[in-house]
Amino acid sequence: ELKVEQNPLFLSMQEGKNYTIYCNYSTTSDRLYWYRQDPGKSLESLFVLLSNGAVKQEGRLMASLDTKARLSTLHITAAVHDLSATYFCAVPAPYNNNDMRFGAGTRLTVKP
Amino acid sequence: NAGVTQTPKFQVLKTGQSMTLQCAQDMNHEYMSWYRQDPGMGLRLIHYSVGAGITDQGEVPNGYNVSRSTTEDFPLRLLSAAPSQTSVYFCASSYSREIYEQYFGPGTRLTVT
Repeated sequence: ELKVEQNPLFLSMQEGKNYTIYCNYSTTSDRLYWYRQDPGKSLESLFVLLSNGAVKQEGRLMASLDTKARLSTLHITAAVHDLSATYFCAVPAPYNNNDMRFGAGTRLTVKP
Repeated sequence: NAGVTQTPKFQVLKTGQSMTLQCAQDMNHEYMSWYRQDPGMGLRLIHYSVGAGITDQGEVPNGYNVSRSTTEDFPLRLLSAAPSQTSVYFCASSYSREIYEQYFGPGTRLTVT
């Protein structure tokens, strides 16, 4: 059965610092999705990674995918308060690309 | 474009009652899905649809029913509400049958007492 694990689950960081969130998954997949959720709000798509070695960047966030290691990273550069949110990764089940499995989420707090 | 809309925003039900959560999208998306979000567990897929007339079960389908008679609408029915169904429910849609990015609705917060 597909398991999607994120770590850390909680992250408190200072503004200006760099950090990485990790997403490991247990079965083969060649695609992975990252979403952001602000408190009490819905989810917003951040990145869609569709192949091994895919790298996408938007502002201070950069996501990458290593399908051989079954690992995706979300790197935060020079964090700012506006990045405070919960970040989810999601992977399709191996037998069905329409069956999406989410990690538990990483709650990021950026402090001044 | 309104995007993905959900009604109601909040709902309180008594155990055993039934109700329908509404979801609509105006982007002509083929793929639509329902998730529930519980604290510490991320989102779990309940049911999904790859087009009008086609639905399938996700990870946690028990106690829920769906149908898709039009491209735009994808209602979720709770047949006999239980306290374990207290959750936040999100509807999402995606352009193609193969999921690209999903667009999520604002959510419905359901409490079953």
